[in-house]
Amino acid sequence: GAGVSQSPSNKVTEKGKDVELRCDPISGHTALYWYRQRLGQGLEFLIYFQGNSAPDKSGLPSDRFSAERTGESVSTLTIQRTQQEDSAVYLCASSLVRSGEQYFGPGTRLTVT
Amino acid sequence: QQQVKQSPQSLIVQKGGISIINCAYENTAFDYFPWYQQFPGKGPALLIAIRPDVSEKKEGRFTISFNKSAKQFSLHIMDSQPGDSATYFCAAITSGTYKYIFGTGTRLKVLA
Repeated sequence: GAGVSQSPSNKVTEKGKDVELRCDPISGHTALYWYRQRLGQGLEFLIYFQGNSAPDKSGLPSDRFSAERTGESVSTLTIQRTQQEDSAVYLCASSLVRSGEQYFGPGTRLTVT
Repeated sequence: QQQVKQSPQSLIVQKGGISIINCAYENTAFDYFPWYQQFPGKGPALLIAIRPDVSEKKEGRFTISFNKSAKQFSLHIMDSQPGDSATYFCAAITSGTYKYIFGTGTRLKVLA
């Protein structure tokens, strides 16, 4: 079936504006992750969703960041009052089960001007 | 203790040569060690993975060597090709948990 999809692929926004990033996981995958990847850096864990359990939000860098997931489907990552340091690629990944193989989407490249 | 240290940061190899990327960890509870390959503009994709009950796993030109006592594992790319030019990430996780710990990545360039 289709892989993980993310939209938009690129987003340029002005400092102070809010942005919403979308992730469509692979159908049937119960686990969903968001990561941030700054230029030339590794993957920084942001948030984890598993079925209907409470999400692990421990990686969110500030209260300007929030994420939601509807059941086992689409997830949105919202960044309020964007700052230049938020510029990065935001990656979404899903897996069939906890600690299972992760399948990554192509990412959303966010540029805050 | 949750870190995975990856080296080198970048690597240049001639076509046909061997590329070697190393990772080290501290948490002995880790029991699954995947390697991911990421091309520019794409998300990481699982390349090969190993569990600590074996010391080596080979898939085509890609081999993971695992040293449990030293808490180290490495990726070897034999007969490196220009198409292998990408960023490689190692990772580690404990089965039953969900938080993968990623290395900082190695940018590999294979010269034609």
